[in-house]
Amino acid sequence: KAGVTQTPRYLIKTRGQQVTLSCSPISGHRSVSWYQQTPGQGLQFLFEYFSETQRNKGNFPGRFSGRQFSNSRSEMNVSTLELGDSALYLCASSYQVNTEAFFGQGTRLTVV
Amino acid sequence: GDSVTQMEGPVTLSEEAFLTINCTYTATGYPSLFWYVQYPGEGLQLLLKATKADDKGSNKGFEATYRKETTSFHLEKGSVQVSDSAVYFCALRLEYGNKLVFGAGTILRVKS
Repeated sequence: KAGVTQTPRYLIKTRGQQVTLSCSPISGHRSVSWYQQTPGQGLQFLFEYFSETQRNKGNFPGRFSGRQFSNSRSEMNVSTLELGDSALYLCASSYQVNTEAFFGQGTRLTVV
Repeated sequence: GDSVTQMEGPVTLSEEAFLTINCTYTATGYPSLFWYVQYPGEGLQLLLKATKADDKGSNKGFEATYRKETTSFHLEKGSVQVSDSAVYFCALRLEYGNKLVFGAGTILRVKS
């Protein structure tokens, strides 16, 4: 059974640009959540999607957005990148609500 | 708000030593509690979980007991190995939804 796949694994962007990260959940899983991991702030929740609907959102500016497609794949977008957006972005998939979360290996975003 | 506090590291132990990593939480209702482990360059792996008071989660020699009276979920292992060197995260999940709230993480270094 394939795990959670995040692409790309590494990304370097310039301040002011925008970026799109992709997450393919485990087959059959309908919930996808996104987290930002930085040395200073630790692991912070970005948003959660279930069956294409955003169910929950963390305390991030509107530059951070996401969506989920009918095949449960999810993308997150960050516009007008800032240096502080440099982080490891982790995606987690769950079968449904209140079930175990399985994490991908993450996308390492560096903003220069 | 909901939060998790875990002991600061790094924790440095010799092989076969006893491990305790303290974790306490603040949450409304009855959260589920988790320990995740992160190896260098990797995402998070679920180590163990407990979904109600007095439950004991265990895996690979690690154990933690959900103590509602002290709002704690301390991680223990009787004899650590060099391969246990990693970052350990305590987390809670509220009753409805898949959002995880993480502690700051504790670096564990095991010397041979």
